[in-house]
Amino acid sequence: NAGVTQTPKFQVLKTGQSMTLQCAQDMNHNSMYWYRQDPGMGLRLIYYSASEGTTDKGEVPNGYNVSRLNKREFSLRLESAAPSQTSVYFCASSENRGAYGYTFGSGTRLTVV
Amino acid sequence: GENVEQHPSTLSVQEGDSAVIKCTYSDSASNYFPWYKQELGKRPQLIIDIRSNVGEKKDQRIAVTLNKTAKHFSLHITETQPEDSAVYFCAASIPDTGRRALTFGSGTRLQVQP
Repeated sequence: NAGVTQTPKFQVLKTGQSMTLQCAQDMNHNSMYWYRQDPGMGLRLIYYSASEGTTDKGEVPNGYNVSRLNKREFSLRLESAAPSQTSVYFCASSENRGAYGYTFGSGTRLTVV
Repeated sequence: GENVEQHPSTLSVQEGDSAVIKCTYSDSASNYFPWYKQELGKRPQLIIDIRSNVGEKKDQRIAVTLNKTAKHFSLHITETQPEDSAVYFCAASIPDTGRRALTFGSGTRLQVQP
């Protein structure tokens, strides 16, 4: 039982390049989330998916897109990376009843140069 | 939307002392308040949570208190140990409505000095 798996763990991009961060959970959770973590700013919500087939913007969605591929997988895409997107990205999932008890993935450290 | 403020940003205590971290929230409809611990280079992990029908909850050396009238909640760690050193985040949400995502505070770096 792996919980929430994120790939890759580290990535360096050049400005303007694109990439997709992958997230998969094996806990049969309905809801999944993408957060970014920057020093002194806590965890800020980028996008979330309350259930399969739905996605909603969070606090900082600009420059990102998401896809809820199926119940298990929720990907985050950067179409044209910018230095301001340098951050640690965490995927999380939660139980059927909503946002109780998040389980986080191990994170992706992304650097845009 | 919801806004969660957390204080202090850093906290240094001696081993065996108590530590208190405080958070305030803006949306009076919020009714779920978890606390997460994040060790260096690791993922955040849930350590305790409280729901709006409860004023206090304890789990061994950790306790959380909630004052809904004042819209603030606090984490209390007693008899601190070096392994308590980490960043702690508070959060708030309204889980059973369409507003299901947690809003996090900015974090408190706790350093326990041996």
